[in-house]
Amino acid sequence: AQSVTQLDSQVPVFEEAPVELRCNYSSSVSVYLFWYVQYPNQGLQLLLKYLSGSTLVESINGFEAEFNKSQTSFHLRKPSVHISDTAEYFCAVSDSSNTGKLIFGQGTTLQVKP
Amino acid sequence: DAGVTQSPTHLIKTRGQQVTLRCSPISGHKSVSWYQQVLGQGPQFIFQYYEKEERGRGNFPDRFSARQFPNYSSELNVNALLLGDSALYLCASSLKETSYHEQYFGPGTRLTVT
Repeated sequence: AQSVTQLDSQVPVFEEAPVELRCNYSSSVSVYLFWYVQYPNQGLQLLLKYLSGSTLVESINGFEAEFNKSQTSFHLRKPSVHISDTAEYFCAVSDSSNTGKLIFGQGTTLQVKP
Repeated sequence: DAGVTQSPTHLIKTRGQQVTLRCSPISGHKSVSWYQQVLGQGPQFIFQYYEKEERGRGNFPDRFSARQFPNYSSELNVNALLLGDSALYLCASSLKETSYHEQYFGPGTRLTVT
């Protein structure tokens, strides 16, 4: 069965500093990988996804993530964060049943300080 | 275009009662999934419906049930509520049933059981 581990529950960082949110997964089959962001009192928004092809995927707001099959990781990075990036970030993996089921990690709270 | 809508936004129920949560998918989307998000944790998959048929079920007791209507809207029912059912219930819709297709999440229904 698939599982997702987000290695940091909270990541405090100063504005304009770089950040990395770590995600490791376990699966015996090929998977799709996702990062979602959740702002306070809101639902989840898809940030970026890896389905196939290039292992480096980017979002429109400066985040990127790299799929590393050998290390079973999908870490999220941003070279310079803004106050508005403060949110909860969830890594997710598709289930092997070929349905829409997603398996989420516990989440990482990104706290951007001025 | 309207996104995924959920109702009600909040509700408070007493242990032992029953509750019905509603979800309207994005127009044209035929898949609806339900997730439970307990405070401080990542969402957990409850059900997926596609074309009015159940396509996936998570590890939840039989007190949880769902259905999808001909217009692809969906209801989640929870019977005999327990304190542990207190959570944010998220609905997600997508064009088709596999996780290859992007899932769009609604704002959620906050259920409090007292």
